[in-house]
Amino acid sequence: SQELEQSPQSLIVQEGKNLTINCTSSKTLYGLYWYKQKYGEGLIFLMMLQKGGEEKSHEKITAKLDEKKQQSSLHITASQPSHAGIYLCGAANTGNQFYFGTGTSLTVIP
Amino acid sequence: NAGVTQTPKFRILKIGQSMTLQCTQDMNHNYMYWYRQDPGMGLKLIYYSVGAGITDKGEVPNGYNVSRSTTEDFPLRLELAAPSQTSVYFCASRYLGGAGTGELFFGEGSRLTVL
Repeated sequence: SQELEQSPQSLIVQEGKNLTINCTSSKTLYGLYWYKQKYGEGLIFLMMLQKGGEEKSHEKITAKLDEKKQQSSLHITASQPSHAGIYLCGAANTGNQFYFGTGTSLTVIP
Repeated sequence: NAGVTQTPKFRILKIGQSMTLQCTQDMNHNYMYWYRQDPGMGLKLIYYSVGAGITDKGEVPNGYNVSRSTTEDFPLRLELAAPSQTSVYFCASRYLGGAGTGELFFGEGSRLTVL
């Protein structure tokens, strides 16, 4: 099965600080999806990256895909309490299964 | 559109009981998935389906069964509930084959407790 390892597992930052979450795949990535989950709620799609070197932004969140390293990073600039939650990377394999990473819990202190 | 609808939202079961978690999507998506999420953990794939009449096992299928008789519905059956099945269950759907990103759309989750 495809494994997606995220780091760090949890993050506590002061409001206004920048932060980065990493997602590393054990297999070749055909596309990498980032989701956010507010505590106790469902998942919200943030963005999808497909091509090596691709970079996308959504408000103050930027994600990059390094296809050669089978890694993706999610960067939040000037964090706000509304950014708090669990961030999950996800990917599909050639067998049509869709896997998620181990998750990163983000706390933003006002 | 309602998107992905899961019922029930909460349920408490006794050990050995059985139940079905319902999942319906109205987006004409071909792929559907069931995940479980334990506290502080990521999502684990239980079963998935690539179309009506086709289902397959994911990472943690033991103790569960699914069916996909229609495009819209993908119920998850728990037989002989055990405390280890206490979790939050998420149903998701996606469409592959078009020009979109193919992202998963999620239901709000079903919180199951087995005592």
